[in-house]
Amino acid sequence: DIQMTQSPFFLSASVGDRVTISCRASQSINFYLNWYQQKPGKAPNLLIYAASTLQSGVPSRFSGYGSGTDFTLTISSLQPEDFATYYCEQSYITPYTFGQGTKLEI
Amino acid sequence: EVQLVESGGGLIQPGGSLRLSCAASGFTITSNHMSWVRQAPGKGLEWVSLIYSGGDTYYADSVKGRFTISRDKSKNTLYLQLNSLSPEDTAVYYCARDPVSTWYYFDSWGQGTLVTVSS
Repeated sequence: DIQMTQSPFFLSASVGDRVTISCRASQSINFYLNWYQQKPGKAPNLLIYAASTLQSGVPSRFSGYGSGTDFTLTISSLQPEDFATYYCEQSYITPYTFGQGTKLEI
Repeated sequence: EVQLVESGGGLIQPGGSLRLSCAASGFTITSNHMSWVRQAPGKGLEWVSLIYSGGDTYYADSVKGRFTISRDKSKNTLYLQLNSLSPEDTAVYYCARDPVSTWYYFDSWGQGTLVTVSS
């Protein structure tokens, strides 16, 4: 199985900050990397797919980059509604696997 | 509008069985790939099972042989049969749509249904 490792586990930041979350795959997954945001008690919400394609309706302050094994999610200017947990997911091959999550806190 | 509504969760004893349902509206489930993803209390996301639009099915090793994914085109509903349940299966179970494209991703999710396995 492909292991997905996110860093950091926790991230403290302030409104207006620029933050970056990293995700590393245990083997090459090409561009088959997705990013989700999850708020407490809610289902995950797709932000980015295919490593860098912004899902319709997602604010442009979110961006994704990477290929192969190393990927990043960047939020250019944090807004209050962005404080949540973020997961990366590889969809290169089943079993699809998620990173352990990054909790973004104020 | 795309909508997914799960049901069927509840409290079940170890070794028991349960069938989860995911009623879809706004799209046809057989024209999309569909997955179940679960989340244990306070933990991260775990992919459980996938049914491709063509009907092929895949499972996580942790549930292979115990869980079965299926769908009913006439009801536009996805199912997950859970057998031989153990406390480690306690989680919120989400169904998710994967629109058929070059890439694979979950663009719509249900609200989830909680399965609690306990005596």
